[in-house]
Amino acid sequence: EAQVTQNPRYLITVTGKKLTVTCSQNMNHEYMSWYRQDPGLGLRQIYYSMNVEVTDKGDVPEGYKVSRKEKRNFPLILESPSPNQTSLYFCASGRTGRNNIQYFGAGTRLSVL
Amino acid sequence: SQQGEEDPQALSIQEGENATMNCSYKTSINNLQWYRQNSGRGLVHLILIRSNEREKHSGRLRVTLDTSKKSSSLLITASRAADTASYFCATDGGRIQGAQKLVFGQGTRLTINP
Repeated sequence: EAQVTQNPRYLITVTGKKLTVTCSQNMNHEYMSWYRQDPGLGLRQIYYSMNVEVTDKGDVPEGYKVSRKEKRNFPLILESPSPNQTSLYFCASGRTGRNNIQYFGAGTRLSVL
Repeated sequence: SQQGEEDPQALSIQEGENATMNCSYKTSINNLQWYRQNSGRGLVHLILIRSNEREKHSGRLRVTLDTSKKSSSLLITASRAADTASYFCATDGGRIQGAQKLVFGQGTRLTINP
């Protein structure tokens, strides 16, 4: 089954404790992206990747890191989480080019205390 | 940066009625997409309309695009309780060909009352 898998689905952590949210897709997509969704602010892009070893900042990259060592994986790293990073996070993947439909994971709800 | 903006922010109708949501955007686009999100879940792609198309249908969905007004509308006919969700438009931001960035609006929250 074609899918984007995020783990964990729910996470409660404390300020400053490094964490990684994993994202994996099985559709051989070149493009992958991380978004955060906050009430009243909609979806905002954190980072995206056009292919292996190619990543770029989105609209709200501060406090986040990503890597793309393999085509299927695109982990999101919070080196020192802060309460303002409490949010609902989504990973998405898609093909490059004109047909840029994106496929989303189920989401990771993160609370930073 | 906000590209697509949906209107209204919330819409509540009776089951069986039609629901219309609008999206406005600011820059030139290659295509515009609509997505649905059930509460707290991932977004699901509904339909894509290219900049040279004016109307597209998919089942009970009808999307129109007016590039002169930089606006799009999504019509859901004969609504069902299962259509209760948030609906987002997304534009490709008009960047160079091959660039992938989609910019999402804040969404319309649709509630279908039985």
